[in-house]
Amino acid sequence: QSVLTQPPSASGTPGQRVTISCSGSSSNIGSNTVNWYQQLPGTAPKLLIYNTNQRPSGVPDRFSGSKSGTSASLAISGLQSEDEADYYCAAWDDSLNGRGVFGGGTKLTVL
Amino acid sequence: EVQLVESGGGLVQPGGSLRLSCAASGFTFSSFSMSWVRQAPGKGLEWVGNINEGGSEKYSGDSVRGRFTISRDNAKNSLDLQMNSLRAEDTAIYYCVRGRWNYVYWGQGTVVTVSS
Repeated sequence: QSVLTQPPSASGTPGQRVTISCSGSSSNIGSNTVNWYQQLPGTAPKLLIYNTNQRPSGVPDRFSGSKSGTSASLAISGLQSEDEADYYCAAWDDSLNGRGVFGGGTKLTVL
Repeated sequence: EVQLVESGGGLVQPGGSLRLSCAASGFTFSSFSMSWVRQAPGKGLEWVGNINEGGSEKYSGDSVRGRFTISRDNAKNSLDLQMNSLRAEDTAIYYCVRGRWNYVYWGQGTVVTVSS
């Protein structure tokens, strides 16, 4: 049972815009920034979004992040076949002396 | 080029111990906090813990607190994870990651299997 809640799956067709939600609480998303990771099969995760809405160098601007209250979202516009992957949200949690928490992951399928 | 190479994984019996290591290169190791993240087979990511630049501050996740210990040797550019009282649910790929929380650089991971 993950501390952050994500839908287990999402899908879209090429060119479409897809959003993935991440729900938390006041001790994590409500008071800290959110990161998003993309994981392709058999590889280590890749940082996609940090500090809620910042993209590391090299990440296309098709990927964007936002937050409202205790929920966050990852939006992918102009969906491409190579975007098919698992996506994880993450946030620092201020409870229990501080800890990192992840969502359970969302498998994105490009139809 | 930043490189993080984990080692030490393998098969261990429940209740046993294992020590993982991570060799870092391509950056000033002593200037960065370091972390461990794991992923059970077919499951999501789980934060194991982190350690600050000097090794004086350590934080760990609920499921490993009291059993796992993170340490580092800045002279050897090395990060360790001492795992004691291992359980079947500790079976996972263990990733060494640079940073306290925004994880840009990851190792390739080392597999730990806890089984009798």
